[in-house]
Amino acid sequence: QAVVTQEPSLTVSPGGTVTLTCGSSTGAVTSGHYPYWFQQKPGQAPRTLIYDTSNKHSWTPARFSGSLLGGKAALTLSGAQPEDEAEYYCLLSYSGANWVFGGGTKLTVL
Amino acid sequence: EVQLVESGGGLVQPGGSLRLSCAASGFTVSSNYMSWVRQAPGKGLEWVSVIYSGGSTYYADSVKGRFTISRDNSKNTLYLQMNSLRAEDTAVYYCASPSYWGQGTLVTVSS
Repeated sequence: QAVVTQEPSLTVSPGGTVTLTCGSSTGAVTSGHYPYWFQQKPGQAPRTLIYDTSNKHSWTPARFSGSLLGGKAALTLSGAQPEDEAEYYCLLSYSGANWVFGGGTKLTVL
Repeated sequence: EVQLVESGGGLVQPGGSLRLSCAASGFTVSSNYMSWVRQAPGKGLEWVSVIYSGGSTYYADSVKGRFTISRDNSKNTLYLQMNSLRAEDTAVYYCASPSYWGQGTLVTVSS
């Protein structure tokens, strides 16, 4: 069973830039893991921000972007807003037969 | 507008069974891969199961042999049959496309 790792917590200043990462215990994360990124605020269901590494939905704010960086999936937030304070989860697919979430990153905008 | 609405959660004793439903509108369940994801109180997200458009199904090790994912194309509804429930299965269960998410349904396993 693969383990997906994320930073437990990060802090960013309003207007600042921060990168969240998502690593795999099996090796480098590639586009073949179809990385997803989700945002969850307290008491709410998760919301999908990024799919297949870097694709955005119509509701994804332009300040969010996804990429592969140094063998990991990455979510970059450029120009952080107070409403971006939330928990962020990545999800990786392992040959389609097993999907594994990361433990989540609690992002504070302060 | 896409909507996924889960139902069927509740309180069940250890060893009991429940069937969760996820009714979709504005979205065709059979044309996409659909998953069940759960979140224990105060914990992170855990992938539970997936069903692909071709019908293939897969499960997390923690539920394999106890849970069954299925769909009814005529009702455009996804299901999760949960048997031999344990206390550690207590969680909010979400269906997800995974671009779209339902609001979740709470399952509590307790005597």
